[in-house]
Amino acid sequence: DAKTTQPTSMDCAEGRAANLPCNHSTISGNEYVYWYRQIHSQGPQYIIHGLKNNETNEMASLIITEDRKSSTLILPHATLRDTAVYYCIVRASIQGAQKLVFGQGTRLTINP
Amino acid sequence: AAGVIQSPRHLIKEKRETATLKCYPIPRHDTVYWYQQGPGQDPQFLISFYEKMQSDKGSIPDRFSAQQFSDYHSELNMSSLELGDSALYFCASSSYRDEQFFGPGTRLTVL
Repeated sequence: DAKTTQPTSMDCAEGRAANLPCNHSTISGNEYVYWYRQIHSQGPQYIIHGLKNNETNEMASLIITEDRKSSTLILPHATLRDTAVYYCIVRASIQGAQKLVFGQGTRLTINP
Repeated sequence: AAGVIQSPRHLIKEKRETATLKCYPIPRHDTVYWYQQGPGQDPQFLISFYEKMQSDKGSIPDRFSAQQFSDYHSELNMSSLELGDSALYFCASSSYRDEQFFGPGTRLTVL
């Protein structure tokens, strides 16, 4: 699976949009970009995933560059409950038992 | 909606003892994953099962074993416990759509 690079930490004001970048320059054509987050000591939570098109769901938006070498997770109106470690994970295929390889992640702090 | 259930939530054991962690996946999920998260570390994949067969294996010590039963629940058996086994153990489940849903974890403390 491709390696990802994320900032170690970020801060964002409550109510503003939080934009979390991820570099995955060695991503291959059949690999998807997944985002999970982990609120302190809770189980990781799935947020969103995409292959090459931008995706949006009730939690967030995912913007993937045209060359697919980087992506940005957007939380449109951050709340204090969005404080968590956010993991960008690249993995092949969408079916089958595919493990998640967690990297360092970005520790996002939402400030009041 | 039903979530992944893990039991027990907390477990305290002495060195060299044995522990069994249980995981009950979301109904109709056929795949179970186990992850270990040490203090201040990121989750690390241990092992996974698909339709009751082992599908992948990560950095799981030989002292650990796991299986998935006919009702799709899974158990992680840990023997000869060491201090370094103290960690959060997460189970996740998925169906063919493959987003993994994690349980609340079992916090194992080895004294």
